[in-house]
Amino acid sequence: QVQLQQWGAGLLKPSETLSLTCAVYGESFRNYYWTWIRQPPGKGLEWIGDVNHSGSTNYNPSLKSRVTISADTSENQFSLKLTSVTAADTAVYYCARGRGWLELRLDYWGQGTPVTVSS
Amino acid sequence: SSELTQDPAVSVALGQTVRITCQGDSLRTYYASWYQQKPGQVPLLVMFGNNNRPSGIPDRFSGSSSGDTASLTITGAQAEDEADYYCNSRDSTSNIFGGGTKLTVL
Repeated sequence: QVQLQQWGAGLLKPSETLSLTCAVYGESFRNYYWTWIRQPPGKGLEWIGDVNHSGSTNYNPSLKSRVTISADTSENQFSLKLTSVTAADTAVYYCARGRGWLELRLDYWGQGTPVTVSS
Repeated sequence: SSELTQDPAVSVALGQTVRITCQGDSLRTYYASWYQQKPGQVPLLVMFGNNNRPSGIPDRFSGSSSGDTASLTITGAQAEDEADYYCNSRDSTSNIFGGGTKLTVL
């Protein structure tokens, strides 16, 4: 049974760095795209980026200058760092497993971490 | 970058059929996947690829694609299908979500 469990700080001040980690249980790290998605309050889903087992990453162009996603295959974990946060980064952040290329799907999701940016 | 366009809201009478659409250039190359999200819950994958339903998703859900448009059809909508539905696809090395469709079951 695949499970994704995520954690990280939920309250940040403007200009701080958001840091979240997602642990993967019940599945190898290989052959998947380990993904971060966020959802601002009352709004839709936004893809942040992903990383594969070899550390290759893809990022949302609108966030690329502030985002780093990394993988620790020895721990079966992957992480998100988002620098210089503002109130606009307030959202629920999800980690997810992506698979497939032409028919990509996000088939397992973490429980979500609410993050609030406020002074 | 590309966009995926969805109708913001759709309604359907209980037991009737509803189609939710998603339009975008990326869908000419990549398949869409569809996610159901109920208030306060984590999104749930309900459809992907060429009409593939994950295990546990009722067969009243079906998917199709033509040109730049992907569709999610619910045949015989149930009260529990009321939710937000999001489409998603690759866009070269990126990935995009549609803005979401709020489905109301009357």
